[in-house]
Amino acid sequence: AQTVTQSQPEMSVQEAETVTLSCTYDTSESDYYLFWYKQPPSRQMILVIRQEAYKQQNATENRFSVNFQKAAKSFSLKISDSQLGDAAMYFCAYRGDTGNQFYFGTGTSLTVIP
Amino acid sequence: DGGITQSPKYLFRKEGQNVTLSCEQNLNHDAMYWYRQDPGQGLRLIYYSQIVNDFQKGDIAEGYSVSREKKESFPLTVTSAQKNPTAFYLCASSIGAALYYGYTFGSGTRLTVV
Repeated sequence: AQTVTQSQPEMSVQEAETVTLSCTYDTSESDYYLFWYKQPPSRQMILVIRQEAYKQQNATENRFSVNFQKAAKSFSLKISDSQLGDAAMYFCAYRGDTGNQFYFGTGTSLTVIP
Repeated sequence: DGGITQSPKYLFRKEGQNVTLSCEQNLNHDAMYWYRQDPGQGLRLIYYSQIVNDFQKGDIAEGYSVSREKKESFPLTVTSAQKNPTAFYLCASSIGAALYYGYTFGSGTRLTVV
């Protein structure tokens, strides 16, 4: 089975600074997507960004970007110019071509310090 | 607006009771999922359904049951056989099995055993 590991249970960042959240995964599948989801205190899960394994270019969505290292099976999320609204739990997720479900990491709780 | 509605937001269950969590979507999505979220454990898959009248067990299906009589609805019953049901439950849907599609999540139900 695929596994997704987030080794940082908690992170903090100063407002307007940059922070990187780590994620590693294990798979033998050739085609897959990786996702980052945000869960704010409202607990509504929100899709932040997605990356296809076949694409070498790292995905970017405004202040959010990823560093996808396929050989190392690493998928980190960089948040630039951090804002108070970025404070949330962030989940890394994997979806592969041999199953219908997502596999989630255990999450990283991000605190933004004013 | 299209989305997923979970109800109730908070639910209290007495020992030995069965309770049903509601999940309704108006997105015309084919696939629907139930996840359980516990602190420090991320999201774990309980059941999923790709088409009406068909569903599959996830990683932690014991003590739970589901039905999919309509495309829009995927209720989850937490039975008395579930030994530790206190948790946050998330329902999600996906337009299909293609890898590109992420999940759309409901706002969750917090179940507490009293």
